[in-house]
Amino acid sequence: TQLLEQSPQFLSIQEGENLTVYCNSSSVFSSLQWYRQEPGEGPVLLVTVVTGGEVKKLKRLTFQFGDARKDSSLHITAAQPGDTGLYLCAGHPDPYSGGSNYKLTFGKGTLLTVNP
Amino acid sequence: NAGVMQNPRHLVRRRGQEARLRCSPMKGHSHVYWYRQLPEEGLKFMVYLQKENIIDESGMPKERFSAEFPKEGPSILRIQQVVRGDSAAYFCASSKDRDVQPQHFGDGTRLSIL
Repeated sequence: TQLLEQSPQFLSIQEGENLTVYCNSSSVFSSLQWYRQEPGEGPVLLVTVVTGGEVKKLKRLTFQFGDARKDSSLHITAAQPGDTGLYLCAGHPDPYSGGSNYKLTFGKGTLLTVNP
Repeated sequence: NAGVMQNPRHLVRRRGQEARLRCSPMKGHSHVYWYRQLPEEGLKFMVYLQKENIIDESGMPKERFSAEFPKEGPSILRIQQVVRGDSAAYFCASSKDRDVQPQHFGDGTRLSIL
């Protein structure tokens, strides 16, 4: 079973601070996706990374895929209250590791609260 | 989450009744996935369908649960004789192609069993 461990589970910070959220696994993933989910809504796709070492930026959010494609991080610069939400990482486990290239495996998420 | 439409958003059933959850994928998407989210747990894969075909139902309980994606109309997740443990948020996602494709999610159906 391919697992994705996210840390920290909860994070509460003040507006303007920087933060990093981690997503780790012992398995290799063909791709990794980050979603943000707000209460009562579905996950909204933020980014997809597919190449080991890949870095993608989305305004104040920076996403990195580990060289070995086993881990990823999300860094937010100068967090704002609008960034509050549940951040989920999800991946397609590498078929060569017994995974599937269509089933998404999800982490349990990091619940971020940004206080004004 | 414009694009993937799920209804109803909330569904209340008594034990033993049937629940039908509907999902219309994004325009141009022919691959549909159903996931279940329980409190304190991550989303878990249930079933993957293409038009008129169930491709992978390995995450779906063998009893009482079924899914379909007919040639015309939305995908349906059907739960017969519901029990308290079926209470959860059920999410549908769709993608344009299959392999290693980003999946776009609907806002889910919150199922509550009395």
